[in-house]
Amino acid sequence: NAGVTQTPKFQVLKTGQSMTLQCAQDMNHNSMYWYRQDPGMGLRLIYYSASEGTTDKGEVPNGYNVSRLNKREFSLRLESAAPSQTSVYFCASTRTGNTEAFFGQGTRLTVV
Amino acid sequence: SQQGEEDPQALSIQEGENATMNCSYKTSINNLQWYRQNSGRGLVHLILIRSNEREKHSGRLRVTLDTSKKSSSLLITASRAADTASYFCATDGGSNYKLTFGKGTLLTVNP
Repeated sequence: NAGVTQTPKFQVLKTGQSMTLQCAQDMNHNSMYWYRQDPGMGLRLIYYSASEGTTDKGEVPNGYNVSRLNKREFSLRLESAAPSQTSVYFCASTRTGNTEAFFGQGTRLTVV
Repeated sequence: SQQGEEDPQALSIQEGENATMNCSYKTSINNLQWYRQNSGRGLVHLILIRSNEREKHSGRLRVTLDTSKKSSSLLITASRAADTASYFCATDGGSNYKLTFGKGTLLTVNP
């Protein structure tokens, strides 16, 4: 099993460009999450999806949108990238909300 | 704001010593989890302790939970250089869905 797969691994964007970060899990998990990790800030929750068909805002949702395409896939979209969105983005999934989370390897995004 | 806060922010020890990290949180929880992150990688789950448990062991890891103080500790015994990583606590805030992490403790184990 691949677990949680994120694409791309690295990306450089210019300010104002848009892009979608892809995440897929093959563990039949119900809940999926997007986090960003910045130095000294730990992981901050952007959006989460408790189950297929539902999404909710986390701690830092501004500037992002998400789509829970199906049970496997949860994408994160930046409509107009800003330098403040330079970060490492992690996708995670859990069987239910309060059980062990499995993480992808991360997407390192730089906005110039 | 983040639910969990680890203490200390950084810890440097010699191989063979024990390492203790603490986590404080703000609201009620169903469980508390600890994760490890090696540099440049994703987080890996270490151990989960439920709110009705006080202590749990897994190999060289020992976790305690004090719900009255809203705090937890992670003890790594007989540390190895390979234990060098950042360690995070994570809580669900009682919501069953929203898993939030603290800022982490950077552990350095010197050979």
